[in-house]
Amino acid sequence: AQTVTQSQPEMSVQEAETVTLSCTYDTSESDYYLFWYKQPPSRQMILVIRQEAYKQQNATENRFSVNFQKAAKSFSLKISDSQLGDAAMYFCAPMAGGGSNYKLTFGKGTLLTVNP
Amino acid sequence: KAGVTQTPRYLIKTRGQQVTLSCSPISGHRSVSWYQQTPGQGLQFLFEYFSETQRNKGNFPGRFSGRQFSNSRSEMNVSTLELGDSALYLCASSPGTANSPLHFGNGTRLTVT
Repeated sequence: AQTVTQSQPEMSVQEAETVTLSCTYDTSESDYYLFWYKQPPSRQMILVIRQEAYKQQNATENRFSVNFQKAAKSFSLKISDSQLGDAAMYFCAPMAGGGSNYKLTFGKGTLLTVNP
Repeated sequence: KAGVTQTPRYLIKTRGQQVTLSCSPISGHRSVSWYQQTPGQGLQFLFEYFSETQRNKGNFPGRFSGRQFSNSRSEMNVSTLELGDSALYLCASSPGTANSPLHFGNGTRLTVT
């Protein structure tokens, strides 16, 4: 079973500045994948970025990047040049399992507010 | 490509009734997963269907059931509704391989009175 901890229930950032959302997880699996999703008020869950655990290089996707520390089981999300549209609930979600038994487990989320 | 479609968007039911929610996945996706989202418990995994078979199951009572049809569309049924079943129910589809991200629908907001 996986556990996910997002220690920051709420965060705020000024428009155009940088913010980092933290996430730690625990899994006994050696093969797993990590995702960040965002859920704006429209409530649709949208994929932000993903990271394969076997890759040492941190994933980047435009203004979004991760800091993946496998030994520490840490997977933080950095948002650069924050925009008003980035305001949403952000969820960290590892996907782990074996064979065909992969399951996505979500953290409690971090509510990000972007101030103009 | 059309996204994941969930119907209806809103439902109001009374205790003891049953309800069926529907999910149409992205074309070509064979896996459909269901999640319950509440303010207190967050997002909790209900079950996953792949090629008409339940492949994974979360820790929910037997009142929660689902099925998947040959066209990959899925339905979730909740019988004998309780007040605590009020939640946003999210459906997600994927090709079904280990590293495939889930693509979510807009959810069905169920209110039980």
